[in-house]
Amino acid sequence: DIQMTQSPSSLSASVGDRVTITCRASQGIRNDLGWYQQKPGKAPKRLIYAASNLQSGVPSRFSGSGSGTEFTLTISSLQPEDFATYYCLQYNNYPLGTFGQGTKVEIK
Amino acid sequence: QVQLQESGPGLVKPSETLSLTCSVSGYSISSGSYWGWIRQPPGKGLEWIGSIYHTGVTYYNPSLKSRVTISVDTSMNQFSLRLYSVTAADTAVYYCARPAYSSSAADYWGHGTLVTVSS
Repeated sequence: DIQMTQSPSSLSASVGDRVTITCRASQGIRNDLGWYQQKPGKAPKRLIYAASNLQSGVPSRFSGSGSGTEFTLTISSLQPEDFATYYCLQYNNYPLGTFGQGTKVEIK
Repeated sequence: QVQLQESGPGLVKPSETLSLTCSVSGYSISSGSYWGWIRQPPGKGLEWIGSIYHTGVTYYNPSLKSRVTISVDTSMNQFSLRLYSVTAADTAVYYCARPAYSSSAADYWGHGTLVTVSS
């Protein structure tokens, strides 16, 4: 099974800060990775697909990078509406998937 | 606009079977795509339960495979989840979804339904 290790588990940041979240896969997954944002009581929303492609309608301050085993989600300038929990999802073993443990982004 | 809606009992007794249905509107399941079930215990992360193709071919998370059945009813435009021999550890919000994987297409999820396992 492919395991996803996401870090940090939580972080505190201020509006305007640059935020970086990392996911590491237990084996190479090419670029078969997405990033999701989840707000309390809501379903996850996809931000990034295929590691670095911005989902239509998602603000350009979100970006993804990486391939193989190391992946990064970056928020270039954190906005008030970005405080949420973020998950990576690998789907190299499509059509199944494995999520990272999540990163809660809180207001400093 | 594709919409998914989960339905089923919100309370299930331990050792019994959890049954949920996902009704799809705005898209015909028969047209293709994979459909999935994902769950999230209260305050915890997301877990992929399994996926089904419109033809009925299924794929299950190995950790749940012995207790799960996912099926599709194309005539009703629905797909379903059955989880057997539930325990309190199966208490979670259950989501149905049409994952987009590496496609640029939209990724659709239901709102989720909380199922509590308790006597």
